[in-house]
Amino acid sequence: DAGVIQSPRHEVTEMGQEVTLRCKPISGHDYLFWYRQTMMRGLELLIYFNNNVPIDDSGMPEDRFSAKMPNASFSTLKIQPSEPRDSAVYFCASSDSGGGNTIYFGEGSWLTVV
Amino acid sequence: KQEVTQIPAALSVPEGENLVLNCSFTDSAIYNLQWFRQDPGKGLTSLLLIQSSQREQTSGRLNASLDKSSGRSTLYIAASQPGDSATYLCAVGNDYKLSFGAGTTVTVRA
Repeated sequence: DAGVIQSPRHEVTEMGQEVTLRCKPISGHDYLFWYRQTMMRGLELLIYFNNNVPIDDSGMPEDRFSAKMPNASFSTLKIQPSEPRDSAVYFCASSDSGGGNTIYFGEGSWLTVV
Repeated sequence: KQEVTQIPAALSVPEGENLVLNCSFTDSAIYNLQWFRQDPGKGLTSLLLIQSSQREQTSGRLNASLDKSSGRSTLYIAASQPGDSATYLCAVGNDYKLSFGAGTTVTVRA
């Protein structure tokens, strides 16, 4: 399997622009997670889905952030409008509920907002 | 809220020495605990998963222990190699939500 695939790997955008990050989970995994990693706050869970349904979005920082999972093989995390403090690495991860909860991470999307 | 602490924040050892990485957590009502490795510019790779009912897990040179009652886990890496240089993160699972520590950055000197 190719693992969790994220795009873009790197993005530099100007403040106020919309940013869309994409994720393809491992086939057959029924859980999908979005995490954010910064030097100051470490790794934080933003939202997670089970069978394409958002289960817990309490980590989403504010209304500028939204996430969708229209089908089992695709998810997006959108930031609109973006701000410099959104600069971080955004990780997508997936898990199989029957697999002992081991979570598999993508390579991350490195976002810089200037 | 679950708080996860990893000590030390950084560690440098000569090749061949055994590594001991510590993780502590505040809420013992956990489902599992995972140790991850992160290389610079990369994602996280799961190393070991310990279920709450288990005391330890082993994989090759890696051994992780879990003491729920005291809120502690330890990752042992035997006979360290330069390729073990990375950041190691501990994550505590409550259902499907993971709370991460800040990590221990390990440098193994050849």
